Amino acid sequence: AQTVTQSQPEMSVQEAETVTLSCTYDTSESDYYLFWYKQPPSRQMILVIRQEAYKQQNATENRFSVNFQKAAKSFSLKISDSQLGDAAMYFCAYRSASETSGSRLTFGEGTQLTVNP
Amino acid sequence: DAGITQSPRYKITETGRQVTLMCHQTWSHSYMFWYRQDLGHGLRLIYYSAAADITDKGEVPDGYVVSRSKTENFPLTLESATRSQTSVYFCASSESVGSPQHFGDGTRLSIL
Repeated sequence: AQTVTQSQPEMSVQEAETVTLSCTYDTSESDYYLFWYKQPPSRQMILVIRQEAYKQQNATENRFSVNFQKAAKSFSLKISDSQLGDAAMYFCAYRSASETSGSRLTFGEGTQLTVNP
Repeated sequence: DAGITQSPRYKITETGRQVTLMCHQTWSHSYMFWYRQDLGHGLRLIYYSAAADITDKGEVPDGYVVSRSKTENFPLTLESATRSQTSVYFCASSESVGSPQHFGDGTRLSIL
């Protein structure tokens, strides 16, 4: 079974600075997807960014980018120019590309990000 | 508006009662999922469905029942609620294996 580990329960960053959230995963599969979701106090689960394992290029979405290291099974999220609205719980998630997996997501336990003004 | 809707948003019930959480999506997505989120934990999969009339267990299925008679609906039933099922429940859907999952706003369920 796949596992996802987020080793930083809490992180903080100054507004306008850059912060990196860590995520590692364990899998024997070669084809899969990785995601970062954001959960603000409103409790919504918001997709931040998505990475396909067969793509070597790191995904970027505006101020959010990832560092995907397939051999190391590492998938960190970098937030540039942090804003107060970025404060939230961030979850890393793994999803098999196999149809037999049912497309389920396996989540890490989350990193609580605080943005200081 | 199109989207995924969960109801109710909040529910308080007593141990031993049956309770059903509703989930409705308007995208006609094939896949639907139920997760629970407990304090200090990420989301854990309870059940999922790849299509109407096809369901399968996730990590933590004990005490729960699901059905999917129509593509757009995926209700979750706690047949005899226990205090350990106090949690926030999220429903999600996705179009295919590679597409992102879209989440509902969650149901906060308290069992006294």
